[in-house]
Amino acid sequence: SQTIHQWPATLVQPVGSPLSLECTVEGTSNPNLYWYRQAAGRGLQLLFYSVGIGQISSEVPQNLSASRPQDRQFILSSKKLLLSDSGFYLCAWSFNQPGELFFGEGSRLTVL
Amino acid sequence: AQSVSQHNHHVILSEAASLELGCNYSYGGTVNLFWYVQYPGQHLQLLLKYFSGDPLVKGIKGFEAEFIKSKFSFNLRKPSVQWSDTAEYFCAVKTGGYQKVTFGTGTKLQVIP
Repeated sequence: SQTIHQWPATLVQPVGSPLSLECTVEGTSNPNLYWYRQAAGRGLQLLFYSVGIGQISSEVPQNLSASRPQDRQFILSSKKLLLSDSGFYLCAWSFNQPGELFFGEGSRLTVL
Repeated sequence: AQSVSQHNHHVILSEAASLELGCNYSYGGTVNLFWYVQYPGQHLQLLLKYFSGDPLVKGIKGFEAEFIKSKFSFNLRKPSVQWSDTAEYFCAVKTGGYQKVTFGTGTKLQVIP
């Protein structure tokens, strides 16, 4: 069966520090991968999605970037965090049924 | 660009009451539509989906949704809610050949015993 893992689960970082959140999917190949940010009252904001290695689509211009160095690995990064980057980040994948997403546990980032 | 609107941000119902949560999307082409649910402390999970065919789709736990193309709507319904339905509900849309999935702002449902 397929599983998705995200880490770290929680992270507290100072303003200006770098960020790396990782997401790995197991049990499938060539999945579509997604990064969302969930904020209270604002739903899920799509940040990035990827249909293959090295293929990244960015939805919102911002302080973050994404990379897909391997087929089942998706990384969310920042060189210098801002206070506004605080939030709950969700990784998700889909495969045979486009749009039918399976979500990870989420990573809560607090920038101080 | 595609967008999804959920009109109700917070709904409070008594057990056995009927539920209807509104969802409208803006896109003129082919769409795939979804409702996701997030129970307290749990992951987001798929409740039901529409790809094609019968516009009335049934999901888990007695939920159903109706796709009305002329109204660009995909409202979620349940005839009789239970306390265990307390959760946040998200409508989502995927358009055409793209893999982008856009979510609405969510509706928090609180069911009072």
